[in-house]
Amino acid sequence: SYVLTQPPSVSVAPGKTARITCGGNNIGSKSVHWYQQKPGQAPVLVIYYDSDRPSGIPERFSGSNSGNTATLTISRVEAGDEADYYCQVWDSSSDHNVVFGGGTKLTVL
Amino acid sequence: EVQLVESGGGLVQPGRSLRLSCTASGFTFGDYAMSWVRQAPGKGLEWVGFIRSKAYGGTTEYAASVKGRFTISRDDSKSIAYLQMNSLKTEDTAVYYCTRIPVTTVNSWFDPWGQGTLVTVSS
Repeated sequence: SYVLTQPPSVSVAPGKTARITCGGNNIGSKSVHWYQQKPGQAPVLVIYYDSDRPSGIPERFSGSNSGNTATLTISRVEAGDEADYYCQVWDSSSDHNVVFGGGTKLTVL
Repeated sequence: EVQLVESGGGLVQPGRSLRLSCTASGFTFGDYAMSWVRQAPGKGLEWVGFIRSKAYGGTTEYAASVKGRFTISRDDSKSIAYLQMNSLKTEDTAVYYCTRIPVTTVNSWFDPWGQGTLVTVSS
C-alpha cells in the first residue's frame, strides 16, 4: 500500500517560514491535499490540488509537489498557525483508496 | 453555510454494533459523495470509507481495516449519511468525522468536515 511520510514535528519562530514535507513514491504524479487540525477541532482544508488555496485561507499558505516530495509552506508564521498538519492523496492501486500522512506538529516558538 | 453534524457516538461493548449519522445542510446533499474518516485518541487521521452519489451509482469503498464490518449508506431525502458499524473492536475507538467529497474525481479532497463524534469500544 502507498505510504506518506511526514516529520513528526517542525518548529519555527514567529515571522519565519515553516516547511512541512510529505514524502511518497513518485508523489509528484499524484494530487496532494493538506489539512490543518488544531487541538479539539476538526481538520480544515488549507491546500488542495498541490497548491490551490480554498477561500478564506491566507496567502501565507502555499504548496508544491514534485518528484518524491510534496511541501506545505507557511510564510510569516503566526502563533495561530500552531497545529497538526496532514497531507492526503488517493491511491486507487490498493484497498486503501485514501491515504493520510502521519501528521506533523507545527510548534511556533 | 455548508454544515455537517455527526451524531450517534458513545460507549459500546466489543462485538456490538453502533450506527452513526451525519446530517448535512447548506448544499444539495444528493449531488455529492460523502466520506467517513476516524482519528484514534492521540493518533492521526484514518480514512474509513465513502459512498458515491446516486448519479455515480451510490456505490461504496472501504478501508481494509473495516471492510466487511462497516457499511456506509445515505438517505438523500433527509440529507443524511450513515455509518453502520458491526462487530466492533477496541481498536475502533476513535472520533469519527463525516466529510464531503467536493469533486467527482479520484483525486478529490475532503471539505468541509463535521465536528466529529466519539466512539469508545470497551467492556
